[in-house]
Amino acid sequence: GAGVSQTPSNKVTEKGKYVELRCDPISGHTALYWYRQSLGQGPEFLIYFQGTGAADDSGLPNDRFFAVRPEGSVSTLKIQRTERGDSAVYLCASSPYRGAEAFFGQGTRLTVV
Amino acid sequence: SQQGEEDPQALSIQEGENATMNCSYKTSINNLQWYRQNSGRGLVHLILIRSNEREKHSGRLRVTLDTSKKSSSLLITASRAADTASYFCATGPLTGGGNKLTFGTGTQLKVEL
Repeated sequence: GAGVSQTPSNKVTEKGKYVELRCDPISGHTALYWYRQSLGQGPEFLIYFQGTGAADDSGLPNDRFFAVRPEGSVSTLKIQRTERGDSAVYLCASSPYRGAEAFFGQGTRLTVV
Repeated sequence: SQQGEEDPQALSIQEGENATMNCSYKTSINNLQWYRQNSGRGLVHLILIRSNEREKHSGRLRVTLDTSKKSSSLLITASRAADTASYFCATGPLTGGGNKLTFGTGTQLKVEL
């Protein structure tokens, strides 16, 4: 596709449930990033992939959060035992190389009730 | 954590006027980028300025960077109603971290007819 695609666009889940958020980066982009944005705030870094490996996961808030990118393209952000505080817009971005601009998807709005 | 602070937090101007937003950051950077966000969803990349550059233009946008003061400004000339959005600065690290961007808190711009 032409841009970064994220699915679903909206997700409502009950507290304690497991959710998966998907990101399809721009074809050929080796770098992939996940960010989380709470209302009224700027995006906050979660994790960065270079190829298949997580090069920097220092932004993951705790061990309930996990992300994979098994074939170096599509990535899935997984959240276990969701909490109401996890409610936010989760943004994915891809970049062709370090230091280049990052292209963002439209995000997944996660609401935990 | 947020790296930058944008100033002002909110700005309201008339169509045709110029809008200036400022960004301050804390650590040494490789580059600084400005993004626009409509309705709290996907971010659109506007312009990237590298640490060895002082000024950059793109259409109606002008960005300056002063690394000695750790600050940047975004000028939008001849503003239009369609420029109404939130604007974020984001810094790319000097070393490591891929293109891990650290975002500021944003400026909400409203352009009135």
